[in-house]
Amino acid sequence: AQKVTQAQTEISVVEKEDVTLDCVYETRDTTYYLFWYKQPPSGELVFLIRRNSFDEQNEISGRYSWNFQKSTSSFNFTITASQVVDSAVYFCALSEGDTGRRALTFGSGTRLQVQP
Amino acid sequence: DTGVSQNPRHKITKRGQNVTFRCDPISEHNRLYWYRQTLGQGPEFLTYFQNEAQLEKSRLLSDRFSAERPKGSFSTLEIQRTEQGDSAMYLCASSGQGNNQPQHFGDGTRLSIL
Repeated sequence: AQKVTQAQTEISVVEKEDVTLDCVYETRDTTYYLFWYKQPPSGELVFLIRRNSFDEQNEISGRYSWNFQKSTSSFNFTITASQVVDSAVYFCALSEGDTGRRALTFGSGTRLQVQP
Repeated sequence: DTGVSQNPRHKITKRGQNVTFRCDPISEHNRLYWYRQTLGQGPEFLTYFQNEAQLEKSRLLSDRFSAERPKGSFSTLEIQRTEQGDSAMYLCASSGQGNNQPQHFGDGTRLSIL
C-alpha cells in the first residue's frame, strides 16, 4: 500500500532563513504522481506543485524549489529566504498511476512557523 | 474562474442527527473527490466520482455515509446518525480528466457533533 511520511512535525525559522521540508514516499506502482500542498491558517489547501514519476528534473519557482529523487523515494521542498507569509502547514501527497485509483494519500504535514 | 465551493462552512449538530454537505466543483472538472481531515492530520480520502459515477470508495466510508453526484455537477455527502467521531473537516476537491491533474480543494465544511 502507498504511504507518505513527513517526519518533521513542526519547524520554526526566522525570516530570511532557508528551510527544507522532507517527504518520503512508498509505492509499488511504476507510474505515480507527487504533489505539495500548502494549508495556511485560513484552512484552504492550496496546490503548489506536481511531479510525475518519470520526470526527475528538479524545479525552481521563485523562492520555492523541489528536489525529486527516485533512488531515495524522496520529494523535498525548499523555501529560500523564508517570509512570514510562508507560515502554514505543508502536505506532501502521492497518487498512484498503474491502477484506476485516483485517491491522494497525504502525509501528516509539517507546520512551518516563520518568525519576523 | 471560480474555485471549488462548499456549503455550509460550519455545521453543529447533536449526536444521532443526519447532516448533508454540498460541493460545487470547478465547472470544467469532471472528477470530484471527498476527503476528511481531523486536527493535526493530513486529509484522508473518502470517495471519488467521475461525472456521475462513483468509482472509488474508501473503507473509511461506513454505511452511515453516502455520497451522490446525480447530474455530474454538484455533489452531496450525507452522514446519517452522526457520532462524536464524525467531528472533522470535510473537504471536497475537483480535477480535470488527466491522471496527473492536480486536485483543487474547497474551503471545507467543519462538522462539530455535540
